[in-house]
Amino acid sequence: EIVLTQSPATLSLSPGERATLSCRASQSVTSALAWYQQKPGQAPRLLIYDASNRATGIPARFSASGSGTDFTLTISSLEPEDFAVYYCQHRFNWPLTFGGGTKVEIK
Amino acid sequence: EVQLLDSGGGLVHPGGSLRLSCAASGFTFRNYVLTWVRQAPGKGLEWVSGISDSGAGTYYADSVKGRFTISRDNSKNMVFLQMNSLRADDTAVYYCVKGQNSGSWFGDYWGQGTLVTVFS
Repeated sequence: EIVLTQSPATLSLSPGERATLSCRASQSVTSALAWYQQKPGQAPRLLIYDASNRATGIPARFSASGSGTDFTLTISSLEPEDFAVYYCQHRFNWPLTFGGGTKVEIK
Repeated sequence: EVQLLDSGGGLVHPGGSLRLSCAASGFTFRNYVLTWVRQAPGKGLEWVSGISDSGAGTYYADSVKGRFTISRDNSKNMVFLQMNSLRADDTAVYYCVKGQNSGSWFGDYWGQGTLVTVFS
């Protein structure tokens, strides 16, 4: 099973600041990685698929990069609605797995 | 508009069974893979099971293999998760998730979730 390790666990930032989230895989997943956002009481929302492609309707302030084992999600300038928990997920092989999540909280 | 309506959750004793259902609409159901993802209270996301567009391929997390069975009915636009031998650590909100296409297991639409509580 591929283990995805997200860091940091919590990121405390102010609106307007830049957020950089990391996801590291225990073995290469090539570019088969996605990022999701989850707000309290809501289902997750797909932000990024295949490492760097924004999903439909996702604002351009969200960008992502990486391949192999190291991936990054960047939010260029945090809006109030961006404070949430972010998860990465791979689809390289079975079983699919999620990272433990990074909570982006208001400083 | 794509909609996924999860149902079937509830309270059950350890060792019991439940069958979750997900009714889909707003897309050509038979052309997409489906998965179930769960989230224990206050915890992160855990992928549980997936089924191919035709239903011929089924996949499971190690934690549920041999106890859970995923299936789909493409004539009724529904996907199911039969859960047997339930344990306390199966307590979670279960989400039905539509894959982006027949080849991508990333979830572009999620149901509202249905809560399963296993208690003694």
